[in-house]
Amino acid sequence: QLQESGPGLVKPSQTLSLTCTVSGGSIRSGGYYWSWIRQHPGKGLEWIGYIYYTGITDYNPSLKSRVTMSLDTSKNQFSLKLSSVTAADTAVYYCARSPGYRHAIDIWGQGTMVTVSS
Amino acid sequence: DIQMTQSPSSLSASVGDRVTLTCRASQGIRNDLGWYQQKPGKAPKRLIYAASSLQSGVPSRFSGSGSGTEFTLTISSLQPEDFATYYCLQYHSYPLTFGGGTKVEIK
Repeated sequence: QLQESGPGLVKPSQTLSLTCTVSGGSIRSGGYYWSWIRQHPGKGLEWIGYIYYTGITDYNPSLKSRVTMSLDTSKNQFSLKLSSVTAADTAVYYCARSPGYRHAIDIWGQGTMVTVSS
Repeated sequence: DIQMTQSPSSLSASVGDRVTLTCRASQGIRNDLGWYQQKPGKAPKRLIYAASSLQSGVPSRFSGSGSGTEFTLTISSLQPEDFATYYCLQYHSYPLTFGGGTKVEIK
């Protein structure tokens, strides 16, 4: 299971920080790819990026300049940081798992709503 | 980036209807496609992977087909719990991209 956590409100120009806690297995096992995906209110889904259990990352070019992902294997968590946020970053953020590089996402967290507003 | 186009964007149907949703890729993606169901306020749930493989626990009235650039999700007999929005996802290449969704509503 996956569970997102983090502030629900972030001020413009600040950094959005979210954590996904993985339960039921080690984040280092199985060759999984751990992704962040977001969904603007009433809109479709946008893949933000992934982090592999080795720490390798790949980000969506549309967000690459502002995104950083990291792992904390001691806590079985992975994290997202999105810098210089604006109102356009207001969305539900999901963490998710893919069983391999070219495999469909199979497990999603429940999602957490983040609003960017002063 | 590979663009995924779903059609229709919405449809109205009755319980018991057979429903077919379409997803088209801007370039060939072999069978690297998944289908997801999302209900309001919930995370997406995987129904189909590898274009036609049914996720464990998903009712057999759901089926997927296609390869290359054209894919379909069929619900053979629509049930009340199937009213939701459906998304396709290509995972052939990164960045991963989703279709815009098809909202299935009650007629």
